[in-house]
Amino acid sequence: LAKTTQPISMDSYEGQEVNITCSHNNIATNDYITWYQQFPSQGPRFIIQGYKTKVTNEVASLFIPADRKSSTLSLPRVSLSDTAVYYCLVGDSFGSSNTGKLIFGQGTTLQVKP
Amino acid sequence: GAVVSQHPSRVICKSGTSVKIECRSLDFQATTMFWYRQFPKKSLMLMATSNEGSKATYEQGVEKDKFLINHASLTLSTLTVTSAHPEDSSFYICSARDEVPSGSIYEQYFGPGTRLTVT
Repeated sequence: LAKTTQPISMDSYEGQEVNITCSHNNIATNDYITWYQQFPSQGPRFIIQGYKTKVTNEVASLFIPADRKSSTLSLPRVSLSDTAVYYCLVGDSFGSSNTGKLIFGQGTTLQVKP
Repeated sequence: GAVVSQHPSRVICKSGTSVKIECRSLDFQATTMFWYRQFPKKSLMLMATSNEGSKATYEQGVEKDKFLINHASLTLSTLTVTSAHPEDSSFYICSARDEVPSGSIYEQYFGPGTRLTVT
């Protein structure tokens, strides 16, 4: 499973766009990139997943450059309720050839201020 | 979306007793479930992979005789912390892998977690 590196913490203000970058230099061909959000005393919540280029859903965008050695989670116009820990995971756990084991890194604690 | 439940949401037990935590996939079947432990301000640590109808696979350093896992059906896995001690106090989270793929993706969903406090 590819190792990931994220900033430990980030601060932002309400209404701003937040970009969290994750490095995964050893990503393998079959690996997906997945981001989870976790609030205190809750289980992680799926945010977005991608393989290459750009993926967008109703809550975030995921930018993946051509070499796939990094990815950036973009949260548009954050609010106080976006204060949470964000985890970047890389692996082929979502494919048919894998049991689905996910290894969490340290995550990025995002603090949104008023 | 798919839902995974855990019961109880929080439990307090005395040192030396055992406590069972249930993880259920409510609207999908899960051949594979996972158990994590999370200490305050730390990341999730994978404890074991729970396989329906077979023995669980434990991560290195996790005592299989202390953390008993039973995956008796396609919608239920249980984690029993035996002879609990205060150092076992933690947040336990399960996840379940939907065995029916969405396209080529096998989605995985997390439960809300169980707060265990051992006194």
